[in-house]
Amino acid sequence: GENVGLHLPTLSVQEGDNSIINCAYSNSASDYFIWYKQESGKGPQFIIDIRSNMDKRQGQRVTVLLNKTVKHLSLQIAATQPGDSAVYFCAENVGSDGTSYGKLTFGQGTILTVHP
Amino acid sequence: SAVISQKPSRDICQRGTSLTIQCQVDSQVTMMFWYRQQPGQSLTLIATANQGSEATYESGFVIDKFPISRPNLTFSTLTVSNMSPEDSSIYLCSADGGVGTDTQYFGPGTRLTVL
Repeated sequence: GENVGLHLPTLSVQEGDNSIINCAYSNSASDYFIWYKQESGKGPQFIIDIRSNMDKRQGQRVTVLLNKTVKHLSLQIAATQPGDSAVYFCAENVGSDGTSYGKLTFGQGTILTVHP
Repeated sequence: SAVISQKPSRDICQRGTSLTIQCQVDSQVTMMFWYRQQPGQSLTLIATANQGSEATYESGFVIDKFPISRPNLTFSTLTVSNMSPEDSSIYLCSADGGVGTDTQYFGPGTRLTVL
């Protein structure tokens, strides 16, 4: 499919393992971050978000960690399943400063492959 | 969350022609955006579609090439004009999750191939 990422980082895990996907963001003024999952042939699907006043947020089987000191974001997926196989993107929002309201800047993406 | 649909889902077009992509949201939203995703790559913002005013374009994208309409709070169109093979890409529409949210939800995308 079109997500055969010749240039994207890849992560291969066994079913049942925990997965950690990392993202370095660029703008220290970013105050809102989102993780998206994109399956082949589909649009990005919202997974979880976090604001800059937090360093951790948990959802169902997913946890996002934010380290503002080093501008790093990670997505942890517990008990990874074959259905989790997709491309994962982080996105940052530099905030509502009048010129960049709502604009997202996307990371390069990571291909996650889960083997049964 | 907003549910977003796009038409067409895919198209194959000839060089020099134009294609208009439609984006429909199931609820009124403040912000709508158009992105391009080239094969195997990440998403790049083309423009913000503003209701009642001209779209705001990102660096490298111009209105003559990518005219955008936003006639109301649930609908927007993106036209890819005078297409060349370099315009072959996936075009994605997104919208905010409603008043007071920064989350963006995406449509399924339009897969464009230019011959």
